[in-house]
This record gives sequence, C-alpha cells and structure tokens, in this order.
Amino acid sequence: QITLKESGPTLVKPTQTLTLTCTFSGFSLSTSGVGVGWIRQPPGKALEWLALIYWNDDKRYSPSLKSRLTITKDTSKNQVVLTMTNMDPVDTATYYCARLSGYDLAGYWGQGTLVTVSS
Amino acid sequence: QTVVTQEPSLTVSPGGTVTLTCASSTGAVTSGYYPNWFQQKPGQAPRALIYSTSNKHSWTPARFSGSLLGGKAALTLSGVQPEDEAEYYCLLYYGGAQLVFGGGTKLTVL
Repeated sequence: QITLKESGPTLVKPTQTLTLTCTFSGFSLSTSGVGVGWIRQPPGKALEWLALIYWNDDKRYSPSLKSRLTITKDTSKNQVVLTMTNMDPVDTATYYCARLSGYDLAGYWGQGTLVTVSS
Repeated sequence: QTVVTQEPSLTVSPGGTVTLTCASSTGAVTSGYYPNWFQQKPGQAPRALIYSTSNKHSWTPARFSGSLLGGKAALTLSGVQPEDEAEYYCLLYYGGAQLVFGGGTKLTVL
C-alpha cells in the first residue's frame, strides 16, 4: 500500500523560509523511474506543480519559482523535503506531495497540508 | 511561460457523455506530453484517473477514458454519474521534466 503524508508548519511569517517534509511508504525512491513531486493549491484556485526529485537525484523545478525552491531526498528515511524561501501571503496554499512512476506523473497523493503566510 | 488551457466549466446530464479537453500554448498536444488527468472533489486531495494519454489506474471507473482529440488531450466520461461532479485537472509533461497543470474544469452533473 502506497501512502504519502506531508508535514510542516501551518503558519509562517512573510520573508521566512518554509520547510515541508513528505514521508512515504510502500515504495522506494531508489527504484528506477520513481520520483516524488510537490504541488500546491491556493484556496479556491488551480493546482500548481512546484518541484520533482527522481530516484537518481535529478531535480526539476517550476521555472517561475526555481530561485526559491530546493528539493532533497533522504532515501533511508523515505522522505523528501521541499524548502521555499522568502514566503509571501500569495504562497498561502495547500501543499501536496505525490509519487511519480515513469509517465504516471502523480498517481498517489498525500492528504495535503495547508500553509498560511501571515504576520 | 507555458499555459495549459481547459474549459472552465461544463454541464452534463446524468447518464450522458461529456468530453473535457486540455490544450497547450506551445502547440498540439501529442502522446509525448504524456497527459495525465485528475479528479478533485471539494475538501479532498486530487485523485489520479488517467496517465500517459489513455492508461487507467486500477481504481479508475470504466466510464472514464483518455485520448488525443484535435490537437488536445481529452478526457471522456460516458454514462455520467452524479458522483462524477468534481473539478478535473490535466497535467502535461514538457521536455526537461517540466510539468504544467491546466486551470481545471468544473463539471456539473445536472
């Protein structure tokens, strides 16, 4: 059974750095073709893809947010961490992590975590 | 900046058939964009329905199908059920593993 779960702060202040952790089970991030991605969704708005890390440590970022994002993995802990710098109220959103396998780009999702940016 | 466009809203009668589409600002959507489709109901995480144009997940109801249609990715629901009322998103893969979601289609079953 594949599961993913996001964790991190629910409230951050403007200009702070957000650190989110995706803890997963039921698959290994050392398996060829597998990756974990981050997606966010502002309240009432559409999904936005943020970043992706592959089993071979290849990393991809949304061009519009690339300068603010860092994605890393800890294969032994089954975790993927996303950091986003210089948070702004417009970054208020539910943040999801999801598993990628080949061209199944997000077959399994976490429940999401709502992050509010406010002073 | 790449934009993926979906119909903002569609309405279908129960038992009817509806097709949602997904277009790319870069040109025709082909199988090389590996279109994925997701369903999201209020207060829930998205659920994957279709990957790589037309492949279904084990949990995807048979009434959902994916295809390419007129230069776009398409999701067709045949024999629509009331529980299919939801927001639907497509996701396209661009060279260099850049992924872009569409703006979503709100499907009303009425």
